[in-house]
Amino acid sequence: QVQLVQSGTEVKKPGASVKVSCKASGYRFTNYGFSWVRQAPGQGLEWMGTISAYTGNTNYAQKLQGRVTMTTDTSTNTAYMELRSLRSDDTAVYYCARDNGSGTYYYWGQGTLVTVSS
Amino acid sequence: QSVLTQPPSVSGAPGQRVTISCTGSSSNIGAGYDVHWYQQLPGTAPKLLIYGNTNRPSGVPDRFSGSKSGTSASLAITGLQAEDEADYYCQSYDSSLSGHVVFGGGTKVTVL
Repeated sequence: QVQLVQSGTEVKKPGASVKVSCKASGYRFTNYGFSWVRQAPGQGLEWMGTISAYTGNTNYAQKLQGRVTMTTDTSTNTAYMELRSLRSDDTAVYYCARDNGSGTYYYWGQGTLVTVSS
Repeated sequence: QSVLTQPPSVSGAPGQRVTISCTGSSSNIGAGYDVHWYQQLPGTAPKLLIYGNTNRPSGVPDRFSGSKSGTSASLAITGLQAEDEADYYCQSYDSSLSGHVVFGGGTKVTVL
């Protein structure tokens, strides 16, 4: 069965960076992409970007351009999302989701809480 | 504010029918992009409820249905049950944002 397992809770200071992982299993890794979606406390879902696990091509949300980098490692079937220059408003639960290319997210990771606080 | 507009909340008694609207524009829903719907229970990841405007993934009860017309889409829940109390989000693409994915702001469904 398809599973996406994310790394654990992170606490960071403003200005630091965080890298969240998403390990996939149960399917051929390069057949699908990954999208990252975050949710601030009490707020809605915000799309951060998408990466193709086959080509490595990325597409980032405009507001995060320059601060976010998404990568994949086909040797470990793991996707990564790195966010730099963290601010307090980056505090959120970060989800990875398997992207079938049509923007339909059937499988999701369990979420990773990232808290940015001095 | 979100590119796709949803009502913040809707409510209904058990057994009733409720609908959630998702209003977009000519650069997203009106451009022909598909709309998907997700259900999110407290403290959990979103769950795909409707994809491609009207399709239900395996395991989703047929009480849930989706529709799309013009620049809007709707999610209907018939025979409302207590377990349907959750947040619901619509999702589509927007061509004015270089084909970026966009979500609605979310709707809280309360079962009275």
